[in-house]
Amino acid sequence: GQQLNQSPQSMFIQEGEDVSMNCTSSSIFNTWLWYKQDPGEGPVLLIALYKAGELTSNGRLTAQFGITRKDSFLNISASIPSDVGIYFCAGGYSGGGADGLTFGKGTHLIIQP
Amino acid sequence: DGGITQSPKYLFRKEGQNVTLSCEQNLNHDAMYWYRQDPGQGLRLIYYSQIVNDFQKGDIAEGYSVSREKKESFPLTVTSAQKNPTAFYLCASSLFGRYSNQPQHFGDGTRLSIL
Repeated sequence: GQQLNQSPQSMFIQEGEDVSMNCTSSSIFNTWLWYKQDPGEGPVLLIALYKAGELTSNGRLTAQFGITRKDSFLNISASIPSDVGIYFCAGGYSGGGADGLTFGKGTHLIIQP
Repeated sequence: DGGITQSPKYLFRKEGQNVTLSCEQNLNHDAMYWYRQDPGQGLRLIYYSQIVNDFQKGDIAEGYSVSREKKESFPLTVTSAQKNPTAFYLCASSLFGRYSNQPQHFGDGTRLSIL
């Protein structure tokens, strides 16, 4: 199946820094989702985006649905230790005839003391 | 509380043995999915089911089998034909079928290892 290009693969940051990550695709989507996975747990939905250009926040997290519908961005402000984990993007298309959610390979966020 | 329950949390398989991973949801979701996660590989789709008594192969179905006799349940069997079964297995569900943009909700996973 199709894969999204998610970058960076991993990030090593200091506590308090801001974080940016993104996903790009060769295909358009009409839904972008961002998940976080803690070690040994299942992914948890953070933010869902349903409209091109949409900017949505969830606490210190902000995600944007790119206007080309081929990309999405996730920003985390003022990182804290519990932000450590793997962040996945997922694209979805409800137009029929296409596969459902397509997942990126994840961005591994590591916070250095 | 509504959610997805996977069991067991840890499972060990002997050579030549079939093992079954349980997945139950009480979200009244139509669609259910099984993913395999290996380090650095992201999520790979094994099987999915849009409705009861129907399921479709995903990208890596060889060596696995599923059933969907009840809306709430979607067990995955890892057969002896799967030569490299060691991985983290995730079950998910969504309100509608796979040909949609509905968010998927995940269980907490089962870690399978070979003895």
